[in-house]
Amino acid sequence: QQQVKQSPQSLIVQKGGISIINCAYENTAFDYFPWYQQFPGKGPALLIAIRPDVSEKKEGRFTISFNKSAKQFSLHIMDSQPGDSATYFCAASMGSNYQLIWGAGTKLIIKP
Amino acid sequence: EADIYQTPRYLVIGTGKKITLECSQTMGHDKMYWYQQDPGMELHLIHYSYGVNSTEKGDLSSESTVSRIRTEHFPLTLESARPSHTSQYLCASSELSEQFFGPGTRLTVL
Repeated sequence: QQQVKQSPQSLIVQKGGISIINCAYENTAFDYFPWYQQFPGKGPALLIAIRPDVSEKKEGRFTISFNKSAKQFSLHIMDSQPGDSATYFCAASMGSNYQLIWGAGTKLIIKP
Repeated sequence: EADIYQTPRYLVIGTGKKITLECSQTMGHDKMYWYQQDPGMELHLIHYSYGVNSTEKGDLSSESTVSRIRTEHFPLTLESARPSHTSQYLCASSELSEQFFGPGTRLTVL
């Protein structure tokens, strides 16, 4: 019940296309859902996050869509660029300790 | 940019050696974490701390130990390194929800 399942494991998208990565969770007590971006040789960095009181959050080309009833959330990258090529991790946490439960990661490659 | 530092960045060491991976942050964060990650793969929490003199084991069983004597410093020690310890070790800190990561230490045990 603590797991966060992420798909796909890898994704290739043409430059200018839309990249979509999905995550599903079981624990309805989760109340914070971040996405992290990791480039090779670096630690992950927070990209965007959402709480379950909203269904969508947009920051520039990055959007989180959240479906509370389906217990799913997804990351959409509009107008994908080669610089977006990285590994993306979804995560979830509950309460004030913010200890994250991580998805397995998606390796995204944007082809020029 | 997050001010969290890890040393060394790369370490190649023989089996049986004792090693300490250093992690320091200058943000005054109470919470600190150690993760183990094979490159590009899932992050596994091995230790965390919610403040000075507070340490807990994470989800992944680890033969390492940690200490938190000062807020800014959270070193990880392996008493006797083995080839199975070969991996990347990431340190992170947080005050509230966002975790800030260091660049990692790539450890190879021969």
